[in-house]
Amino acid sequence: AQRVTQPEKLLSVFKGAPVELKCNYSYSGSPELFWYVQYSRQRLQLLLRHISRESIKGFTADLNKGETSFHLKKPFAQEEDSAMYYCASILIFQKLVFGTGTRLLVSP
Amino acid sequence: DVKVTQSSRYLVKRTGEKVFLECVQDMDHENMFWYRQDPGLGLRLIYFSYDVKMKEKGDIPEGYSVSREKKERFSLILESASTNQTSMYLCASTPAGTGDTGELFFGEGSRLTVL
Repeated sequence: AQRVTQPEKLLSVFKGAPVELKCNYSYSGSPELFWYVQYSRQRLQLLLRHISRESIKGFTADLNKGETSFHLKKPFAQEEDSAMYYCASILIFQKLVFGTGTRLLVSP
Repeated sequence: DVKVTQSSRYLVKRTGEKVFLECVQDMDHENMFWYRQDPGLGLRLIYFSYDVKMKEKGDIPEGYSVSREKKERFSLILESASTNQTSMYLCASTPAGTGDTGELFFGEGSRLTVL
């Protein structure tokens, strides 16, 4: 079964430090992978998708097929980045499977 | 902006009660989903629907049913609530025919407590 794994429940860093949120997937084909974010008291929303190769709010994520990973990175964390982050993979017709989530806490 | 509205933000129910969670979207989306969100477990798909009167089981459908009588409305039903159904429930929608973009539009969530 297609699966997305986020090994860290909590990642705590100081402002200005680099951030890497880990995501590994198990899928035999060509995966479509995404990062979703949920800020405090806000809706869950799409942050970025691997196919777009975009940088959103300073975050990037590169698909590494050799390591089956899709880690989310930001060189300098900001306090407003504190949120819950979910890695997700699409099955068919917009049906997504989500990881267990990582809470990022950025301290001043 | 796409708006997905979940009618109840907070509910407290007793074991055995029938519970209705309502979700309405205003962007004419074909696809609608119900997830539950639990700490350490992430989001798990309960049911989804690609069209009116159409429904498909997700990963954890046991103890739940759904209704999609109108395109804009997708209801989640707990026939007999149990304490292990205490959770945050998230509704989401997305249009069909746009390819697998992966962008779901979520509601604010309904936090259900079953006593």
